[in-house]
Amino acid sequence: GQNIDQPTEMTATEGAIVQINCTYQTSGFNGLFWYQQHAGEAPTFLSYNVLDGLEEKGRFSSFLSRSKGYSYLLLKELQMKDSASYLCAPMDSNYQLIWGAGTKLIIKP
Amino acid sequence: GAVVSQHPSWVICKSGTSVKIECRSLDFQATTMFWYRQFPKQSLMLMATSNEGSKATYEQGVEKDKFLINHASLTLSTLTVTSAHPEDSSFYICSAKDGAADNSPLHFGNGTRLTVT
Repeated sequence: GQNIDQPTEMTATEGAIVQINCTYQTSGFNGLFWYQQHAGEAPTFLSYNVLDGLEEKGRFSSFLSRSKGYSYLLLKELQMKDSASYLCAPMDSNYQLIWGAGTKLIIKP
Repeated sequence: GAVVSQHPSWVICKSGTSVKIECRSLDFQATTMFWYRQFPKQSLMLMATSNEGSKATYEQGVEKDKFLINHASLTLSTLTVTSAHPEDSSFYICSAKDGAADNSPLHFGNGTRLTVT
């Protein structure tokens, strides 16, 4: 079957760094997306990884290891507005996105 | 960047009535759009794939006669929830890919919160 494993909830302090891990199992693989979803809102696209390694985009970086079925999203210099759910979504062989419930990140001052 | 507009943002309707939700791609053409539903604290669930000029493809367990999808142009797809019931109350979100590649990122509309009383 296809599944995604992310922590349900994480807490971090404003100004700090947090790493959200994701392990996945899919039927085939065509890359992995990270989305941010604020409460009551639709998801917004953050990053896409298809090759192994780290992709950096401002305060956010995403890492992928295809052999391990593992990805993480790294958030630096945390701000209160980063409080949201972060969704790890791998894409299977049919180019379908597989969605989990995401990780709810709580930022404390 | 790619913008997807969804309307209305929220709607309250009585049980048994129908509700139409519009999804527009504002700065790009979308031959395919995707309709999702999300219940509180749950993951996004793909309901159907809307194809311009042809019939929508529904996911298993989604009633095509209840959730009518029309994709009449390259920038507009509509979802009509027919004979709505309280259990249809949910957050409905449309999305589209901004590129021709199959692995192009999905961009989402702002969502429609439907409450059926």
